[in-house]
Amino acid sequence: GNSVTQMEGPVTLSEEAFLTINCTYTATGYPSLFWYVQYPGEGLQLLLKATKADDKGSNKGFEATYRKETTSFHLEKGSVQVSDSAVYFCALSVNNNDMRFGAGTRLTVKP
Amino acid sequence: DTAVSQTPKYLVTQMGNDKSIKCEQNLGHDTMYWYKQDSKKFLKIMFSYNNKELIINETVPNRFSPKSPDKAHLNLHINSLELGDSAVYFCASSQAEMNTGELFFGEGSRLTVL
Repeated sequence: GNSVTQMEGPVTLSEEAFLTINCTYTATGYPSLFWYVQYPGEGLQLLLKATKADDKGSNKGFEATYRKETTSFHLEKGSVQVSDSAVYFCALSVNNNDMRFGAGTRLTVKP
Repeated sequence: DTAVSQTPKYLVTQMGNDKSIKCEQNLGHDTMYWYKQDSKKFLKIMFSYNNKELIINETVPNRFSPKSPDKAHLNLHINSLELGDSAVYFCASSQAEMNTGELFFGEGSRLTVL
């Protein structure tokens, strides 16, 4: 079946530290890959996406590259801020009616 | 205007009761979903509807019954509530034809069963 596995949290970093959250996937067919972010008390919102191999998604300083050879879509940011504290979800979609999420990784950034 | 709105935002009820959560989207999307998020933030799909037709029905107790009166609404009715039903329920929508796969989420409905 289709699924994603992401690193367990929580992750605690100091402001301006480098962030990596690992995500690997298993899929039949050719999935699109996504990172969603959930701020406290809110619903999920799309952070970035990549729809084919070698695509790089980027937004708000975050980046992730679709690596078909390693079935990965790791999230990175060069310098995190306190406002980046949230739960981050890796997700995949093989067709548009079925989005599967990873377990979520809670990030806390301390000043 | 809120794109995906769900009500109520908070719901506290006793075991054995029946309750409903409503969801409406004004984005003109074809597909709507219900997700359940447990206390550890794990997000699991429950149902997916495309143009009022059931597309995905995961292994969910039949106490949970979705109803889609039109493609802008997807309501969730839960019978005989149990303690384990306590969670945050998220409604979402997407436009299948756009082929972006992006989901737009509501703010969630926190259900607490006592």
